[in-house]
Amino acid sequence: NAGVMQNPRHLVRRRGQEARLRCSPMKGHSHVYWYRQLPEEGLKFMVYLQKENIIDESGMPKERFSAEFPKEGPSILRIQQVVRGDSAAYFCASSPSQGVGDTEAFFGQGTRLTVV
Amino acid sequence: KQEVTQIPAALSVPEGENLVLNCSFTDSAIYNLQWFRQDPGKGLTSLLLIQSSQREQTSGRLNASLDKSSGRSTLYIAASQPGDSATYLCAAPPSYNAGNMLTFGGGTRLMVKP
Repeated sequence: NAGVMQNPRHLVRRRGQEARLRCSPMKGHSHVYWYRQLPEEGLKFMVYLQKENIIDESGMPKERFSAEFPKEGPSILRIQQVVRGDSAAYFCASSPSQGVGDTEAFFGQGTRLTVV
Repeated sequence: KQEVTQIPAALSVPEGENLVLNCSFTDSAIYNLQWFRQDPGKGLTSLLLIQSSQREQTSGRLNASLDKSSGRSTLYIAASQPGDSATYLCAAPPSYNAGNMLTFGGGTRLMVKP
């Protein structure tokens, strides 16, 4: 059973370009969470998704950021018109559908976005 | 709103020492608390998950405790080794229905010297 897979591992974008980060949850997991870790800062929750639904996006910036988790395929975190302040490590976590509050979160290796 | 704090921010110990990492949280209605390890440039590895009904959990040389009334959790590492060097993070969901919308502490950066 492969773990949470994120790609790419490293992504370089010029200011103004779009960044697309992908996350494939562990097999059997239908809950996906995105977190951001800014340089020298802690991990901050961004968005929580289930298949085809955004459950909570309270941690996501209101502009330029969007997330989806389609019925088929990976979850996508999309950042439009990137700025230098978006440079960070973006982590995805997944958990199973049963007993949501009882289960561990399993994290991917992260995507390190650098905006130049 | 749950807030999580970890002290100290950094810790350096000689190999073989037993050590304790501290985690404090503000909402005592905590449902569970997780401890993670993060190596530089890597993702997070889950170490231990303590449910609110439990007082402690053990895995190998690691033991984590949870005291809801005082708003504290500790991670005890026995006989530390250089390979234990990493950043240790504790995290908690804000409520039962929040799943794994975790609030993280700032982490403790541990260095175990040979």
